[in-house]
Amino acid sequence: LAKTTQPISMDSYEGQEVNITCSHNNIATNDYITWYQQFPSQGPRFIIQGYKTKVTNEVASLFIPADRKSSTLSLPRVSLSDTAVYYCLVGDVFSGGYNKLIFGAGTRLAVHP
Amino acid sequence: GAVVSQHPSRVICKSGTSVKIECRSLDFQATTMFWYRQFPKQSLMLMATSNEGSKATYEQGVEKDKFLINHASLTLSTLTVTSAHPEDSSFYICSAPGGGTYGYTFGSGTRLTVV
Repeated sequence: LAKTTQPISMDSYEGQEVNITCSHNNIATNDYITWYQQFPSQGPRFIIQGYKTKVTNEVASLFIPADRKSSTLSLPRVSLSDTAVYYCLVGDVFSGGYNKLIFGAGTRLAVHP
Repeated sequence: GAVVSQHPSRVICKSGTSVKIECRSLDFQATTMFWYRQFPKQSLMLMATSNEGSKATYEQGVEKDKFLINHASLTLSTLTVTSAHPEDSSFYICSAPGGGTYGYTFGSGTRLTVV
């Protein structure tokens, strides 16, 4: 399983764009990159997933360079409610064997008024 | 979207008693369920993987006799903390792959406090 490295914490202000970068140097060919968000005392929530280039949905964008050794989660115009821990995970989600997800430390994002 | 219903959300029990936590997949079948434990300000730690109809696989260092896992149906997995002690107090979370998303769906978590 590929190991991921993220900043431990980040601070931002309401209305700003936040970019959280994750390093995964040992990513395998079949691995996808998935980001989750977790609020205190809640289970993680799926945000976005991608394999290469750029993926965008209604809440975030995911940028993945050609070498796939890193990825950047972009949250546009954050609000106070985006204060949470964000986890980057790498794994083969389509193998049929349902690989277990191993969580890294995550990035604790604090959005200030 | 896919939902994993986890109950109870909070439980307080006396030291030495057992507590059962249930996770049900709604609207999809979960042949596999993952159980995590999370201490304050820490990340999720995988405890075990349960598969419907077979024995659970435990991560290194997790006592299988203390954390009993049963996955008797395609929609229900349970975690029983036996002879609970204060050090077992934690946030327990279950997760199932699939359910219509490309990711894994997580339960809402159970806050266990052992007094």
